Amino acid sequence: DAGVTQSPTHLIKTRGQQVTLRCSPKSGHDTVSWYQQALGQGPQFIFQYYEEEERQRGNFPDRFSGHQFPNYSSELNVNALLLGDSALYLCASSKGGLANEKLFFGSGTQLSVL
Amino acid sequence: EDKVVQSPLSLVVHEGDTVTLNCSYEVTNFRSLLWYKQEKKAPTFLFMLTSSGIEKKSGRLSSILDKKELFSILNITATQTGDSAIYLCAATGSSNTGKLIFGQGTTLQVKP
Repeated sequence: DAGVTQSPTHLIKTRGQQVTLRCSPKSGHDTVSWYQQALGQGPQFIFQYYEEEERQRGNFPDRFSGHQFPNYSSELNVNALLLGDSALYLCASSKGGLANEKLFFGSGTQLSVL
Repeated sequence: EDKVVQSPLSLVVHEGDTVTLNCSYEVTNFRSLLWYKQEKKAPTFLFMLTSSGIEKKSGRLSSILDKKELFSILNITATQTGDSAIYLCAATGSSNTGKLIFGQGTTLQVKP
């Protein structure tokens, strides 16, 4: 039973560039959430996708956008990268939409912005 | 603004010691409190608590929630080097159940 998988594992970009991170949820899960974890901090909620729509959003600028596909996989896009976007980006999945708070996390994508 | 605060931020103990990690929260329409263990990268689920005063146990780990005083503790008995990790506490509110509000985490190092 595959867990949550994310790609790539590491990424190096320069300021101003754009990046796309990918996530496949755990088998049987239909809801995907994205979190940003800066060094030494807890994860911060970016947004959540269910039924191919963004259902909830945290305090992140519009430079952060996402998508969910019919197979429940998801992408996180970040435009006009800033140095402060350097962080571990975690994808989490759950089953049954917005009412299930028990999340399963992937191993993340480590993004470095130079 | 909703917030979760963990203490201590870091802890160093020796194998066999017992540790207590603390988590306090202020969340509108509180629904649940979750504990995760983060080794390397992926946080792994430990416990979810919704009822006050009911202890959840899994092996040497246990956790309890106090909804009156707005805190939770995670106890680890007979610690082992494999318990070394970051322990994350998160809370949810009923208006945003899918959004976990995390604390800063407690970094636990268990020395042989």
